[in-house]
Amino acid sequence: AQKITQTQPGMFVQEKEAVTLDCTYDTSDPSYGLFWYKQPSSGEMIFLIYQGSYDQQNATEGRYSLNFQKARKSANLVISASQLGDSAMYFCAMRGGGSQGNLIFGKGTKLSVKP
Amino acid sequence: DSGVTQTPKHLITATGQRVTLRCSPRSGDLSVYWYQQSLDQGLQFLIQYYNGEERAKGNILERFSAQQFPDLHSELNLSSLELGDSALYFCASSTRVGLWQFFGPGTRLTVL
Repeated sequence: AQKITQTQPGMFVQEKEAVTLDCTYDTSDPSYGLFWYKQPSSGEMIFLIYQGSYDQQNATEGRYSLNFQKARKSANLVISASQLGDSAMYFCAMRGGGSQGNLIFGKGTKLSVKP
Repeated sequence: DSGVTQTPKHLITATGQRVTLRCSPRSGDLSVYWYQQSLDQGLQFLIQYYNGEERAKGNILERFSAQQFPDLHSELNLSSLELGDSALYFCASSTRVGLWQFFGPGTRLTVL
């Protein structure tokens, strides 16, 4: 069965510093996609970054980058130069296998950015 | 703004009642997904529709049903509501199955 594990329930980071949010996954499917979403206190789910299992390079989107280590089955999110507005819940997710496209989510990490 | 709309934003109802949540996907998106986010279960996939047809089912209760209409909007029907159904219900859409999904703002359901 597919599974996403986020082992950090909460993290603190100083403003302007970088932070890494951990995510490990488990799947037997050779083709899969990994996603990160941000959920601020207002509740909406904001798509941040995507990594495909066959992508040769780590994905980057502005201040977000994904440290993809396929052999270790990890897909950590790195946020550079943290801002106060980065304070939120962060969810790692994996696309379901086969013809299904549904997402399987981890439990999330609550990031707090300190001024 | 993701382009996915959901109504209503908040819904308060009583146990045993029935409610309908509505979702309009982004323009051009054929695939609609419904998710439930609760404190104890986290974010769980409920059901997926693609171009009007049910494509996949997740942890959806028999008291819940959904459909996608010809104009591609979708409705999630929740009946015989229980206290434990209180949750944030998200709709997401994608152009086709497997692409990244964009989420609506959610409907917060409170069952009293």
